[in-house]
Amino acid sequence: SAVISQKPSRDICQRGTSLTIQCQVDSQVTMMFWYRQQPGQSLTLIATANQGSEATYESGFVIDKFPISRPNLTFSTLTVSNMSPEDSSIYLCSVGGGTGFNDREAFFGQGTRLTVV
Amino acid sequence: GNSVTQMEGPVTLSEEAFLTINCTYTATGYPSLFWYVQYPGEGLQLLLKATKADDKGSNKGFEATYRKETTSFHLEKGSVQVSDSAVYFCALRGAGNQFYFGTGTSLTVIP
Repeated sequence: SAVISQKPSRDICQRGTSLTIQCQVDSQVTMMFWYRQQPGQSLTLIATANQGSEATYESGFVIDKFPISRPNLTFSTLTVSNMSPEDSSIYLCSVGGGTGFNDREAFFGQGTRLTVV
Repeated sequence: GNSVTQMEGPVTLSEEAFLTINCTYTATGYPSLFWYVQYPGEGLQLLLKATKADDKGSNKGFEATYRKETTSFHLEKGSVQVSDSAVYFCALRGAGNQFYFGTGTSLTVIP
C-alpha cells in the first residue's frame, strides 16, 4: 500500500492568484496522477506526473494553467494558475499500478479543497 | 476508448434494505475493475476490486462480480446500514495505469 500526504487540505484564494498543492508519498512510485473533482461530479484526470520528464496532460488541460513538477520518485506538485471561481474543486493526488494490466489499486491523497472567490 | 457508466443518484434507502448500484464499462482489452467509496469529507478509499472475468470482489458486506459478457460490475449489499452513507464510484484501470471513474452515486441510508 501507499500513504499519500497532500497539502494544503483546503484553501480559499483570490481570483487571479496561484496555488501550489504538494503531494508526498511514503514510497517510490513511477507514476503519479492529478485529478480534479468538481462539486457533485466524478474525478477527471488532469495529468500524469512523470519523474524526469514533462507531465502528460489530458484533453482540456494545459501546462500553462496546471504546471506540474516531479523532482523525485516520492514528490509532486500541482499549481493552479491565474485562478477563477470555475477552478473551485477538490484536487486529488493519486499513485498506483504497475505495468500492463494487473490488479494494483490506486491510492489517493485526502484531497485539497480549493475555493476561489 | 475507456469509459465507465454508473447509475445516477442520489439513492435513499432505509436501513437493512437491499442495495444495487449499476455500473457498465467500455474498455479495450481486459481492464481491472474497482469500486471506491468516499465518505463525507474524506478521500477515496478502495472498497473492492476484480481483475478478470467472473471474479467476485467483496468487502464489508458489499459484492460485485466482473461480467465480461455484459461489461458490467454492479455493486450489491444485502442489508445496508446508516454508516454506508457515502458516494460510491465505479472505476476501471486501463493499460496506461490510468483510472477512469464513473460519475459517482450518492447513497443515503436512513434509520
